[in-house]
Amino acid sequence: SQQGEEDPQALSIQEGENATMNCSYKTSINNLQWYRQNSGRGLVHLILIRSNEREKHSGRLRVTLDTSKKSSSLLITASRAADTASYFCAAPLRETSGSRLTFGEGTQLTVNP
Amino acid sequence: AAGVIQSPRHLIKEKRETATLKCYPIPRHDTVYWYQQGPGQDPQFLISFYEKMQSDKGSIPDRFSAQQFSDYHSELNMSSLELGDSALYFCASSFELGTTSATDTQYFGPGTRLTVL
Repeated sequence: SQQGEEDPQALSIQEGENATMNCSYKTSINNLQWYRQNSGRGLVHLILIRSNEREKHSGRLRVTLDTSKKSSSLLITASRAADTASYFCAAPLRETSGSRLTFGEGTQLTVNP
Repeated sequence: AAGVIQSPRHLIKEKRETATLKCYPIPRHDTVYWYQQGPGQDPQFLISFYEKMQSDKGSIPDRFSAQQFSDYHSELNMSSLELGDSALYFCASSFELGTTSATDTQYFGPGTRLTVL
């Protein structure tokens, strides 16, 4: 079964709006990572949040982590057409370093100009 | 900054042929991971190597094998290719020395798109 599950599966917004994507996971983790993927291209690492962190910012990105609910959210503020992509959360299968990542199904974000 | 390099970027093979995918991790990274992403799916873990030794194995078919060489590059060998092997194959690398949590980020290469006809 998936370690990470995401919702919504697809999100369509207008440029300038905020986009929020959610991710839930099953086991204890020491970090959770968010990746972006343009259609058919590589996975670009966006941000990593550790289990002892509740919120982290990077530019227009804001990630929250609630370990009690085993959930995370990615907020993209002031979205741009160039933000159109698939966004995946990924959690290590184990808490030890070097663990494989298990990915959520991804959210397809479309930002309309 | 140097990134993960994968070659080839595109590969077209016939059924039952073999394919070799190569991955060059970020310099000084000691762990390499291979993932497979089918059309419209999320990446699935195949196998990983730490310091040239297999460290973890996922849903990798017996027809596939991989290794990490002394220069830390890795190769994924795929034999008796099937139509269902058509996918994007990603390599990722990370620096896992010790348990410093700051090294947990996996950096992905651009992928190799394999098409089996």
